[in-house]
Amino acid sequence: GESVGLHLPTLSVQEGDNSIINCAYSNSASDYFIWYKQESGKGPQFIIDIRSNMDKRQGQRVTVLLNKTVKHLSLQIAATQPGDSAVYFCAENRGGENRDDKIIFGKGTRLHILP
Amino acid sequence: NAGVMQNPRHLVRRRGQEARLRCSPMKGHSHVYWYRQLPEEGLKFMVYLQKENIIDESGMPKERFSAEFPKEGPSILRIQQVVRGDSAAYFCASSPGSLRGGNTIYFGEGSWLTVV
Repeated sequence: GESVGLHLPTLSVQEGDNSIINCAYSNSASDYFIWYKQESGKGPQFIIDIRSNMDKRQGQRVTVLLNKTVKHLSLQIAATQPGDSAVYFCAENRGGENRDDKIIFGKGTRLHILP
Repeated sequence: NAGVMQNPRHLVRRRGQEARLRCSPMKGHSHVYWYRQLPEEGLKFMVYLQKENIIDESGMPKERFSAEFPKEGPSILRIQQVVRGDSAAYFCASSPGSLRGGNTIYFGEGSWLTVV
């Protein structure tokens, strides 16, 4: 089964508020994490990534936090907009051997923006 | 730069027919990955290929499914004798090198297979 999971399947946020989407992973050997956004009928769109030698990384309106101690990852979206409505996936790369050089996805969190 | 290109975007097949899905990676990318997504679910890894080599096919069903990434041309995911359970979105992704080596993986827009 998948080792990357999410705490909540659906998150509703007021427009303009900040959104926080959480993700837990179980493999302590994972060293690379990516957040993707997927809109209906489209492919996963890269948002931001982080390597295990960092605990925070910021992009445009997004921040990813990595807590290796508790194997937890979060995506923060500032000033949530209607266009942020989508399903968000975290994914991990487990490193190790060459054949493990792929990413494994969690089940996703659907983000609803309330007007 | 063109992104990862997949075709066809939508494919309808009758049970027992063959489905062929194509993926052209981003320019300069030599690593290709295929994933399958059922409605309201996450993406499940199927196979990881480099040029002319299958690196990891641990996610591929044992029968009817095959993948290749030839020296020239796109990567092909082939599903023989399709059944209704094969109906899903199939996503291809590519990277320029190993993810451990600091590279990132990018996805195409997917191929939606419907088996009737």
